[in-house]
Amino acid sequence: EAQVTQNPRYLITVTGKKLTVTCSQNMNHEYMSWYRQDPGLGLRQIYYSMNVEVTDKGDVPEGYKVSRKEKRNFPLILESPSPNQTSLYFCASRGAYNEQFFGPGTRLTVL
Amino acid sequence: AQSVTQLGSHVSVSEGALVLLRCNYSSSVPPYLFWYVQYPNQGLQLLLKYTSAATLVKGINGFEAEFKKSETSFHLTKPSAHMSDAAEYFCAVLQGAQKLVFGQGTRLTINP
Repeated sequence: EAQVTQNPRYLITVTGKKLTVTCSQNMNHEYMSWYRQDPGLGLRQIYYSMNVEVTDKGDVPEGYKVSRKEKRNFPLILESPSPNQTSLYFCASRGAYNEQFFGPGTRLTVL
Repeated sequence: AQSVTQLGSHVSVSEGALVLLRCNYSSSVPPYLFWYVQYPNQGLQLLLKYTSAATLVKGINGFEAEFKKSETSFHLTKPSAHMSDAAEYFCAVLQGAQKLVFGQGTRLTINP
């Protein structure tokens, strides 16, 4: 089944404790991205990657890092999480007709 | 830069009634437009997309949307609401090749 997977689905952590959210897609898509969803703000792009080893900032990149060492994986790294990064995070990959396929989401709480 | 405005953060309709969710966009180039649906505790699922072919686009679950360039609109409709349609709906426009720009979302409630 074609899909985007994310792990973990839920995470509660404390300020300053480094964490990584994994994202993987099995559709051989070149383009992948990360969004965060906050009430009243819709989804905002954090980072995107046009291909392996090519990443760039989206609208809200502060406090996040990404890497793209393989086509299928695009992990999101929070090296020192803060409470304002409490949010719902989605990974997505883009298909041939510009439609984006989203993962199930990771709900992160930073205490 | 492209942007999207969804009119109405909450819409409530009766089961069997017409569903109309409004979306207006701004774009300096012919847009690629999308509607996504998000059910509780789930990710976003593509309902339909407009890619400059037919102006009336049919999607999944009986939804359709009409692209109106003169009104810069891409409203989503369904003739008869079902309880299972209760969800949050997002309109989005593709900006360049890099990202989707989303509206703020409209939560649809279906009354029995």
